[in-house]
Amino acid sequence: SQQGEEDPQALSIQEGENATMNCSYKTSINNLQWYRQNSGRGLVHLILIRSNEREKHSGRLRVTLDTSKKSSSLLITASRAADTASYFCATDAGTGRRALTFGSGTRLQVQP
Amino acid sequence: NAGVTQTPKFRVLKTGQSMTLLCAQDMNHEYMYWYRQDPGMGLRLIHYSVGEGTTAKGEVPDGYNVSRLKKQNFLLGLESAAPSQTSVYFCASSWEIPYGYTFGSGTRLTVV
Repeated sequence: SQQGEEDPQALSIQEGENATMNCSYKTSINNLQWYRQNSGRGLVHLILIRSNEREKHSGRLRVTLDTSKKSSSLLITASRAADTASYFCATDAGTGRRALTFGSGTRLQVQP
Repeated sequence: NAGVTQTPKFRVLKTGQSMTLLCAQDMNHEYMYWYRQDPGMGLRLIHYSVGEGTTAKGEVPDGYNVSRLKKQNFLLGLESAAPSQTSVYFCASSWEIPYGYTFGSGTRLTVV
């Protein structure tokens, strides 16, 4: 079963608008990561946020983490056509299996 | 270029045939992983390794075997391919948790 579930499953916006994607997870975590996947390519690591952090920025990306609600959001500001991709959250539960568990992803389409 | 290399990129197998997927990384990463990606299901962990000579089962290990004889290589084997193993297979590596993963470009496998 998937640890993380992204919402929405698909999102279409105009260039210049902001895009927000949400991720909910089930168990406590050590950290949460976001990845981007362009069509037909492998995933690319975007940002990692630790369980004791609430917000993190990287360029046009802003990630928040609410451990009490077991949720995270990824905000892409001033979106560009090149941001068109699928975005996945991945969680590190910190116990047992020492690997990330990925959600099912959000497909973002940025219209030029 | 440094990174994770997967071979082959595409393969068509007949039911019952066997094959090995090769993953090679040149970043001296300790951890390596095999995931499969199916439409609408995100990535699911097949097997992983936390160091040379070690392997561990992931979420969906049945029908697959792995070996990590050298630190830089992680092999995924299908002993008797089934149509249910039609998927895109991704290899990834990392220093250790909680670092981000570096992914290969994937192997698209079709079992007919």
